Amino acid sequence: AQSVTQLDSHVSVSEGTPVLLRCNYSSSYSPSLFWYVQHPNKGLQLLLKYTSAATLVKGINGFEAEFKKSETSFHLTKPSAHMSDAAEYFCVVSQGAAGNKLTFGGGTRVLVKP
Amino acid sequence: DADVTQTPRNRITKTGKRIMLECSQTKGHDRMYWYRQDPGLGLRLIYYSFDVKDINKGEISDGYSVSRQAQAKFSLSLESAIPNQTALYFCATSQDTDEQYFGPGTRLTVT
Repeated sequence: AQSVTQLDSHVSVSEGTPVLLRCNYSSSYSPSLFWYVQHPNKGLQLLLKYTSAATLVKGINGFEAEFKKSETSFHLTKPSAHMSDAAEYFCVVSQGAAGNKLTFGGGTRVLVKP
Repeated sequence: DADVTQTPRNRITKTGKRIMLECSQTKGHDRMYWYRQDPGLGLRLIYYSFDVKDINKGEISDGYSVSRQAQAKFSLSLESAIPNQTALYFCATSQDTDEQYFGPGTRLTVT
């Protein structure tokens, strides 16, 4: 069985300051890990994915995430928040050997203050 | 045009009614999925299909059924809608990798 825990349901940052979204996972397999973003009234868009290559993964819009196996974490960061980053973010783990089934965290809603 | 489309985008229905949500894709992917999203719970898998002849239950399939009419079409039915099926529903597709591509969602309200 696998699971994903997003440690913060809401994060509030000021524009231009760093963003940190925390994610811990458990998986019986070597996992593939993803971050998706959902803007209001929109579908989900892939930000980045980890698939056992480099542990520091760069994504779109200046986001990056670091895979730390010893801590079972996959935290998402951005050095400088922009107003357009206001959205909900999902950490996701793939079930690997069982196919393309994904397990989602509960989501972190990001508010960016001017 | 969007690669994954869902119809309708919004629907309000009454308890006990039958309703169908439709999903179409132009990505040529074999694998299709239906999820529901509830606040604080992320997305949960309802059903998935790895090809036209393959249908599998996800973690929350009770009260739902699906039909894979073609490689490009995968529909979700609620035979007798109930209020706790009020949610945002997403269709997704994938091919041979873990990465899934999501439609814009259908907001369903059961009164």
